Amino acid sequence: EIVLTQSPGTLSLSPGERATLSCRASQIISDSFLAWYQQKPGQAPRLLMYGASSRASGIPDRFSGSGSGSDFTLNISGLEPEDFAVYYCQHFGNSRWTFGQGTKVEVK
Amino acid sequence: VLLVESGGGLVKPGGSLRLSCAASGFTFSRYTMNWVRQAPGKGLEWVASISSSSDYIFYSDSLKGRFTLSRDNANKSLSLQMNSLTTEDTAVYYCARGSSVAVYFDYWGQGTLVAVSS
Repeated sequence: EIVLTQSPGTLSLSPGERATLSCRASQIISDSFLAWYQQKPGQAPRLLMYGASSRASGIPDRFSGSGSGSDFTLNISGLEPEDFAVYYCQHFGNSRWTFGQGTKVEVK
Repeated sequence: VLLVESGGGLVKPGGSLRLSCAASGFTFSRYTMNWVRQAPGKGLEWVASISSSSDYIFYSDSLKGRFTLSRDNANKSLSLQMNSLTTEDTAVYYCARGSSVAVYFDYWGQGTLVAVSS
């Protein structure tokens, strides 16, 4: 079973700063099967990225994803007030869907 | 795309509950559908998935055979029968549509809360 470990647990940043979130898999995975979600308090998650680096519909281009093998990154180039939220990575493999534990991006 | 969950509520340990998800705005019969849950203050946990024609149904190992997932393509609905509930099943349960290749979840409902408590 693949385990996804996200770091840091909490990222304290100011609006306008760059956020870099990490997602590490316990073994090498296909980037085609790696996605990122954003969740704000009291709301359902929203798909941000799929295939590690493709933005979902309506996602602004300040969000970017990269990585391969077992290390993946979500970058937010300049934090907007609406970007402060919890972010999850997710993998599909062997008919199982797995989430990381999440990274909270909070206002410093 | 709209997904609306219903059926959540308060149930005693050992009890049962049936969740439903009503879908609209897309061709329901063409997509894998899923349930994902989130315990209070915790992260996301995949629960179960069902292929477009119900040929394949997958469950999280953590459920230990207590949940049954089904769908009705004619009525564009998804159901999750939950039995032998424990306090660890307390969570918001989200209905989510699988992407065209079913590897991620592209649309989510707002969730329904299941609280298991004596």
